[in-house]
Amino acid sequence: AQRVTQPEKLLSVFKGAPVELKCNYSYSGSPELFWYVQYSRQRLQLLLRHISRESIKGFTADLNKGETSFHLKKPFAQEEDSAMYYCALRAPFGNEKLTFGTGTRLTIIP
Amino acid sequence: EPEVTQTPSHQVTQMGQEVILRCVPISNHLYFYWYRQILGQKVEFLVSFYNNEISEKSEIFDDQFSVERPDGSNFTLKIRSTKLEDSAMYFCASSEIGPEQFFGPGTRLTVL
Repeated sequence: AQRVTQPEKLLSVFKGAPVELKCNYSYSGSPELFWYVQYSRQRLQLLLRHISRESIKGFTADLNKGETSFHLKKPFAQEEDSAMYYCALRAPFGNEKLTFGTGTRLTIIP
Repeated sequence: EPEVTQTPSHQVTQMGQEVILRCVPISNHLYFYWYRQILGQKVEFLVSFYNNEISEKSEIFDDQFSVERPDGSNFTLKIRSTKLEDSAMYFCASSEIGPEQFFGPGTRLTVL
C-alpha cells in the first residue's frame, strides 16, 4: 500500500530562518513525489515535483530513496511562505491518483 | 490562465438527499479526478475518469457515488443518498497527459 507521512501538523519559523518540512513515504517501487501548497483561501497548487529538480520560490526538495524521504527546504523563510503544505506521491508513468500526506501548516513569524 | 472551476462553493443538504457537485475542467485536459477532504484529515482520492469511463476508484467510492461527463465540458459527482459522514470538502482536478494535476477551489458539502 502507498502511504505518505508528514509528521508535523504545525510548524512555526521566524522570518529569515531556514525551513524544513518533513515527508516520508511508503511505496514498493519508485514513485513520483510532489509538494503541493495551499495559501489562505486559495486552491491546491503544485509547488515542486522531484523529477524536475527545480527550485520554486526558493524551495527545493531532494528525493532520498534510502530513507524514503522527500523533505521540503528553504534557506530563508519569508512571510508569504505561510500556507498549508502537502506532500504527495503517484505511481510513475501514468495519470494515476495522488496519495497525499496529512499536511503541515507552516506559519512564518515576522 | 485557464483554471478548474467548481460549483457550488458551499452546499448544505439533508441526510438522505441527492447532491450533484459540478466541475468544469481545463478545456484541453483528458484526465479528471475527484478528491475529498474531511475536516482535519488528509485529501483522499475518490475516482479518476478518462475517455468517458472510470479508470480507478477508491474504497470510498461506493454505489452511492457516480460520476459523469454529460456534455464534454462539465464533470459531475453525484451522491445519491447523502450521509452525515459525507460532509467534506470535495476537490475536482484535471490533467493533460503528464504528472501535474490542476485543482479546483473545492465545494464544501455539509450534510445535516
